Amino acid sequence: DVKVTQSSRYLVKRTGEKVFLECVQDMDHENMFWYRQDPGLGLRLIYFSYDVKMKEKGDIPEGYSVSREKKERFSLILESASTNQTSMYLCASSPWAATNEKLFFGSGTQLSVL
Amino acid sequence: EDKVVQSPLSLVVHEGDTVTLNCSYEVTNFRSLLWYKQEKKAPTFLFMLTSSGIEKKSGRLSSILDKKELSSILNITATQTGDSAIYLCASPGAGSYQLTFGKGTKLSVIP
Repeated sequence: DVKVTQSSRYLVKRTGEKVFLECVQDMDHENMFWYRQDPGLGLRLIYFSYDVKMKEKGDIPEGYSVSREKKERFSLILESASTNQTSMYLCASSPWAATNEKLFFGSGTQLSVL
Repeated sequence: EDKVVQSPLSLVVHEGDTVTLNCSYEVTNFRSLLWYKQEKKAPTFLFMLTSSGIEKKSGRLSSILDKKELSSILNITATQTGDSAIYLCASPGAGSYQLTFGKGTKLSVIP
C-alpha cells in the first residue's frame, strides 16, 4: 500500500513563527501536493511539485512556500505564521502518468496559530 | 474557472436508509470524476469515472456519471454507522496536475 506520512498530527504555533510541515511518500511518486481544508471551503491546492526541485503554485499560494530536495519528501513552509493559516493541511502524492488523478493522501496536520 | 459543486452539504439518515449524494462539474477538457471518502483525516479513494467507465460499484456503494448533465451521483444502500464521513467529489481541470474538489457532503448515519 502507498503510504504518505505527515510528520505531525497536531501543531500549535504562535503568530510570526516559521512553521515547517513535512510529508514523505514511499512509493516513488513523481507528483506531490499540499492542500488545506477548511469548513465550508473544501480542499484548496496550495502548491504542487512534479519533480525534484520543481514546484508550481496552486490556487492559494500566498503566505506559503515549498521545498522538494528529494523525490520522497515535500515540505510546506509558513514563513511567518498568521491566525488565518489555522487549518487542516493535507499532503498527497500520485505517480506520473497521462492521467494522474488518483491521489494518495496523508492523515493531515491540524495546525493552530495563536 | 473549473468548478465542482456537491449537494447536499450535510445529510443525516438512519441506519438502513439509502442515500444519494450529488456532484456537478464544469471543467475544461473533462477527463474524469473522482469520489473520495474522508472519515477522520486522510481522504481515501472510492471511484474514478471516465467516458469509458461511467458506472462503478463496490459493495453497497455505486456511482454513475452523466456526461450529458455534467454530473455524478454516489449511492449508498443499507447505510451503516461506519458510512458516516465526508464524501468528496473532484475532477482534474485544464492543468494535468490539479484536482478541483467540491466542498464535500457530510453524511451522518445514526443508529
